[in-house]
Amino acid sequence: EVQVVESGGGLVQPGGSLRLSCAASGFTFTSFEMNWVRQAPGKGLEWVSYATSSGTAIYCADSVKGRFTISRDNAKKSLYLQMNSLRAEDTAVYYCVRGRYGSYWGQGTLVTVSS
Amino acid sequence: QSALTQPASVSGSPGQSITISCTGTSSDVGNYNSVSWYQQHPGKAPKLIIYEVNNRPSGVSDRFSDSKSGNTASLTISGLQAEDEADYYCSSYTTSSTKVFGGGTKLTVL
Repeated sequence: EVQVVESGGGLVQPGGSLRLSCAASGFTFTSFEMNWVRQAPGKGLEWVSYATSSGTAIYCADSVKGRFTISRDNAKKSLYLQMNSLRAEDTAVYYCVRGRYGSYWGQGTLVTVSS
Repeated sequence: QSALTQPASVSGSPGQSITISCTGTSSDVGNYNSVSWYQQHPGKAPKLIIYEVNNRPSGVSDRFSDSKSGNTASLTISGLQAEDEADYYCSSYTTSSTKVFGGGTKLTVL
């Protein structure tokens, strides 16, 4: 069974840092690009970042450029999102999403940025 | 990276067909045959229902179909059912090697 499970969310103060993790199972991790997508409370989906299958190429949205960094460890079948200089507007559920077309989504992990 | 434009809401009666549009630019929707559509029920994670123009993942009903003309993609749901009531999002690659979502459309089944 294909699974992607996020962890690492929580409450953090503005300006703080957090590292999200995504553990993948049930599929050949190295065959898929992986994404982070977020959804602020009551709002729509926003693509955040993706890493190609090898991890050699990464891309991110302008809204997080210079603050968030995506990475992956193919040996551990894991995806990460290092989030620095967090702002209130980064408050959202963060989803780990498999593949170019988003064929599998995790249940998400909530990040709350508040003092 | 402006969001793709979708209507905020659409509605239809059971058995009817509805169409949700997704308008972008020549830098995203107009440049790729890789628009994806997602369905999200309240409190749930989104689910892929269409990708790469009329391809459906296994298990997705053939009542869902899409098309594209120029910079606008469209999702059609035929034979509306109560369970189709949900939020729908489109997504596209961009020429900047990034991705962009639409603002989402709330479908109400009357």
